[in-house]
Parts: sequence; C-alpha cells; structure tokens
Amino acid sequence: DSGVTQTPKHLITATGQRVTLRCSPRSGDLSVYWYQQSLDQGLQFLIQYYNGEERAKGNILERFSAQQFPDLHSELNLSSLELGDSALYFCASSAAGKPYEQYFGPGTRLTVT
Amino acid sequence: AQSVAQPEDQVNVAEGNPLTVKCTYSVSGNPYLFWYVQYPNRGLQFLLKYITGDNLVKGSYGFEAEFNKSQTSFHLKKPSALVSDSALYFCAVIPSGYSTLTFGKGTMLLVSP
Repeated sequence: DSGVTQTPKHLITATGQRVTLRCSPRSGDLSVYWYQQSLDQGLQFLIQYYNGEERAKGNILERFSAQQFPDLHSELNLSSLELGDSALYFCASSAAGKPYEQYFGPGTRLTVT
Repeated sequence: AQSVAQPEDQVNVAEGNPLTVKCTYSVSGNPYLFWYVQYPNRGLQFLLKYITGDNLVKGSYGFEAEFNKSQTSFHLKKPSALVSDSALYFCAVIPSGYSTLTFGKGTMLLVSP
C-alpha cells in the first residue's frame, strides 16, 4: 500500500458527461501528480500541483482541469467526455523536494460508453 | 524533449533463467531513471531508481538495473526469473531540473514455468 488513495475505483459514464476523480496523497506530501494510461497514448503525465498551486502541465486536454485543496487532496475534472477518454487515471504524490520519490495510487478506471 | 524507448513489446523467459528488459533514454543533462512494475488490475509499483553514484542499482524483488551513460541505457535485469515476475514493466525518466515522469510504452514480461 503506497498510502495514496483514489476514488472511485471504477467509473462508467456516457459521452458528453462530466466526472470528478479524487486523490488523497500520502500524509505530509505536498505534490500531487496526475497521469493517464491509455492503450493509444501509453502512460503520460497530465498535471502537477504543489501545495495548492499548479506546478507543471503536460498533455492535458482543455476539457480536463484539476485543483488541489487546502487539505492537499486533489480532484481531476473531466468534462464533455469522449470515447477516447476511457483510460486508467493515476494519481501520485511526493514530498517537498523529492520528485524522484513518487508514490502511485491504485488508479481510477474510467469507461466512457 | 525527453523520451524513453523500450524497444521490446514483450519479453519471454523461462523460470530460473536470467532476464533483461531494455530501456534507452534521450534527455539533456543528467537524468533520474526509474523502473516501475504494473501487475494486472493494479497500480504502479516502484522497483528501483538511479539518481547518482554507482551505476549498478539494486531494487525490490531481486531486480537490478545498470546505468550506462555512453549508451544512454538503463536496462532492467534479474539473475533468475520467477513466474510471479510476469507483469508490465515501465522505464521512466525525470530530466534534470524537472519533476514529472516521462514513461516508456512498457514491456510485457512473461515468465513460463
């Protein structure tokens, strides 16, 4: 168990809908990262937050957004969903100054029908 | 831009034989290098990392990897494979000055009894 939790574990929704994925980092970790794993794109970085502020942005679509709250949990919002958004979404966290020690959650599997 | 190449989609090895999963990278500066493993329906588990120092890195479950700067490689090795090692293996890099992981496309390792 990495100490990173993600909810829900599975999510099935229809095209055009909006969903929110939630991540709770390890206790004390200030950085949260979101990654997407899909058959087409492989594992790719989406976005990073550090202590509530956006720190880095990767291949994140404009339909997707994220935020990190004062209690350090993070949410990834996916809107106007398309079939191609079906993927496994991972959250990872790391302590301040230690990006080379990222701990991954179990992931949320999103299926868009 | 940084990139990671895992030239083999699948590696097959018999139990008890040594295994190698190949990884090469392309980054500027000195990279941090990683191996992660993903078992079916599970999240990513950290195996080992190279930050600096000894080129031979030892990690979890008897795995090791050798950093070769001249060949820009970071191959994963294990002296004696187990059936339970069968999984999807990802090589990843964090370029110097960055904090987010860039992953290779993954290599499926199948260990036969």
